Amino acid sequence: EAGVVQSPRYKIIEKKQPVAFWCNPISGHNTLYWYLQNLGQGPELLIRYENEEAVDDSQLPKDRFSAERLKGVDSTLKIQPAELGDSAVYLCASSQDGAYGYTFGSGTRLTVV
Amino acid sequence: RKEVEQDPGPFNVPEGATVAFNCTYSNSASQSFFWYRQDCRKEPKLLMSVYSSGNEDGRFTAQLNRASQYISLLIRDSKLSDSATYLCVVRRGEGNKLVFGAGTILRVKS
Repeated sequence: EAGVVQSPRYKIIEKKQPVAFWCNPISGHNTLYWYLQNLGQGPELLIRYENEEAVDDSQLPKDRFSAERLKGVDSTLKIQPAELGDSAVYLCASSQDGAYGYTFGSGTRLTVV
Repeated sequence: RKEVEQDPGPFNVPEGATVAFNCTYSNSASQSFFWYRQDCRKEPKLLMSVYSSGNEDGRFTAQLNRASQYISLLIRDSKLSDSATYLCVVRRGEGNKLVFGAGTILRVKS
């Protein structure tokens, strides 16, 4: 079974530029999560989708971050405009029916310069 | 105060040593508990679930004390390949949200 696929693996952008990350979850997993991980910290939830519905986006900075999961499969997370403090690893995870067994993708390492 | 607290370490131990990590959580409504392992520049991966009765998986033993809101992980006969960051994780009932601790760094040396 293919795992959670994320792209790009690395991204370097200048501040104030837009950036987008893509995630394809494990087939059949209806729950998709975006997490943010800063250096030396554990992952922190940004947004959770049940199918195409965002059911928990309380931690998503909505002034600059947006996400979508059209058709309830793959998802895109966008930042516009990026700030220096957004430099981090953005992790996508999926699970089936909210079961505890999250599977994480390899993440996108963002550097804002 | 963070919802899940861990000693960041690092724990530097020789091969063959026994090492224990502790974790406390503040939300008494937490329903499930896990240890995840994260290698350098890799994604977190589930190591094991933690049950109130205690559970063992080879050299790894996890325990949960709900009354004290305390979770532990014991690694016996440490191997070089055990070097990683160990994340303590709790699941809240609503929305199946996993809350991660900051992790404890383990370095096993020959």
